[in-house]
Amino acid sequence: DTEVTQTPKHLVMGMTNKKSLKCEQHMGHRAMYWYKQKAKKPPELMFVYSYEKLSINESVPSRFSPECPNSSLLNLHLHALQPEDSALYLCASSNRILSGNTIYFGEGSWLTVV
Amino acid sequence: QQQVKQSPQSLIVQKGGISIINCAYENTAFDYFPWYQQFPGKGPALLIAIRPDVSEKKEGRFTISFNKSAKQFSLHIMDSQPGDSATYFCAASPTSGSRLTFGEGTQLTVNP
Repeated sequence: DTEVTQTPKHLVMGMTNKKSLKCEQHMGHRAMYWYKQKAKKPPELMFVYSYEKLSINESVPSRFSPECPNSSLLNLHLHALQPEDSALYLCASSNRILSGNTIYFGEGSWLTVV
Repeated sequence: QQQVKQSPQSLIVQKGGISIINCAYENTAFDYFPWYQQFPGKGPALLIAIRPDVSEKKEGRFTISFNKSAKQFSLHIMDSQPGDSATYFCAASPTSGSRLTFGEGTQLTVNP
């Protein structure tokens, strides 16, 4: 079982709603990630946090807003999403942002925008 | 170039057979090459990984072969089992380690 826990597992939201995805890890990792995965496609990196500071934003639209309240938690705030944003959102963590550090993925949150 | 090219897109193997998935990359800054296994409805899970300083790494039935000069690496699954049926992603990351670039994935089906 993965040690990266994501909630909710499924979320349906309207285009005017505001919702949040949550992620928690207790492995003491200092790097946390959000990835987006469409059906039959590889995960695409969205954001990277290192030591609770945003390190990488892969030009993600502002309707996605990440937040790292502490070293164990990572949130993704969603607002005014589009139907094409429907996807599996994966949280991940690694010891540090260093090559060779295993990136552990959660089981993901399935998001449907209607 | 950050691209990692993976083939085949799909693969059907009989139980007990060998499954082979290939990947190629262009960016010589890549220095870590993991393979992830993903079952339907689950997140990707690390299967096995290799660094360019070795040409082969074996863990149980899973082997990575690495050819640095050709910039290619492959996953071999020996004695394939129906439980191995999943999508497999090769990936690569540079020295900085902050960006994991995935191949397009291979959907493996192992028939009983």
